[in-house]
Amino acid sequence: AQSVTQPDIHITVSEGASLELRCNYSYGATPYLFWYVQSPGQGLQLLLKYFSGDTLVQGIKGFEAEFKRSQSSFNLRKPSVHWSDAAEYFCAVVPRKGGGNKLTFGTGTQLKVEL
Amino acid sequence: DVKVTQSSRYLVKRTGEKVFLECVQDMDHENMFWYRQDPGLGLRLIYFSYDVKMKEKGDIPEGYSVSREKKERFSLILESASTNQTSMYLCASSSRGAGGSPLHFGNGTRLTVT
Repeated sequence: AQSVTQPDIHITVSEGASLELRCNYSYGATPYLFWYVQSPGQGLQLLLKYFSGDTLVQGIKGFEAEFKRSQSSFNLRKPSVHWSDAAEYFCAVVPRKGGGNKLTFGTGTQLKVEL
Repeated sequence: DVKVTQSSRYLVKRTGEKVFLECVQDMDHENMFWYRQDPGLGLRLIYFSYDVKMKEKGDIPEGYSVSREKKERFSLILESASTNQTSMYLCASSSRGAGGSPLHFGNGTRLTVT
């Protein structure tokens, strides 16, 4: 069955430390891949997306993600976390064929930043 | 910037009431979506629409219906609210595309059914 998995429900990092949030997908062909962030009390905001080409994608707020076909992964990274990065992060996918614009979301990773 | 506006941030309704959640977008987007968000479950698609008067079921449509009479407005209807519909509801819109158009979200409506 097609699915997207975020294995980590909660992650805590210290301010200034590096961050990696994991995302794995299970689809027959590489889907379109997205990362969204949800700050408390807000809707979701697009951080970055991967369609094709360079497997390292740069996004807003200093985030980047790397697509690895061999691992069916699209992990989100940030070299140095700021306290304002505390939020919930969602990986999302949509099939390239027949998916329309129907995104399927992972269950999210809640990021806590310790000062 | 695209703006997606959900009419209420918080709603409290009684079991059995008919509930309307309204969503308006100002960027002439063709696609509109309703998701519900629950802890540990992420976002699940309830209904979506690719055009006026058009609707399609998502993954969890039971107990819900939708209406899209105008391009900018997409309403979610709970015909007879139940306590298991207590949740955060998120509306989103996107432009027509092959699948890569990102979604733009409203700030959500937190619905409590008592």
